[in-house]
Amino acid sequence: AQSVTQLGSHVSVSEGALVLLRCNYSSSVPPYLFWYVQYPNQGLQLLLKYTSAATLVKGINGFEAEFKKSETSFHLTKPSAHMSDAAEYFCAVSDRGEGAQKLVFGQGTRLTINP
Amino acid sequence: DAGVTQSPTHLIKTRGQQVTLRCSPKSGHDTVSWYQQALGQGPQFIFQYYEEEERQRGNFPDRFSGHQFPNYSSELNVNALLLGDSALYLCASSSTGGYQPQHFGDGTRLSIL
Repeated sequence: AQSVTQLGSHVSVSEGALVLLRCNYSSSVPPYLFWYVQYPNQGLQLLLKYTSAATLVKGINGFEAEFKKSETSFHLTKPSAHMSDAAEYFCAVSDRGEGAQKLVFGQGTRLTINP
Repeated sequence: DAGVTQSPTHLIKTRGQQVTLRCSPKSGHDTVSWYQQALGQGPQFIFQYYEEEERQRGNFPDRFSGHQFPNYSSELNVNALLLGDSALYLCASSSTGGYQPQHFGDGTRLSIL
């Protein structure tokens, strides 16, 4: 069964500092991988996805993630944090297959930005 | 272009009651998935509908049921509500043309008293 582990339920960085949110997955075959962001009282917004093209994936709002098969990781980074980046971030995995597949989410990482 | 819309936004019920939540998918999407997000947790997959049939189901009891209509909109029904059913219920839609990501609505916050 697939699973996702997000290391660190809370991450705090200073404005302008590097953001690094960690995600490791467990899957028998290379899956599809996603990062979503959730702001208070809202649904989930897709930041970026890995579906088999380049291993370095660029997303919205300056975020990017690198798929490393050998480490079964898909960490999310942003070179310079902004106050508006404060939110909950979820890593998710799904099977490859015909049509849409269910998403399996990690527990989430709450990102706090210090001024 | 409207995204995924869910109604109602908030709902309060008591134990033992039944509830129906509604979802309209993003234009051009034909697949609807439902997720339950308990406070402080990641979303958990409930089930997915495509062509008006349940195609996949997560580890949820039969008290959770759903329906998809010809216009692709969907309903989630929960019977015999328990306190533990209190959560944010998220609807996500996607298309089946190749692999496409799921787009989420803002959810329905269900509170059970």
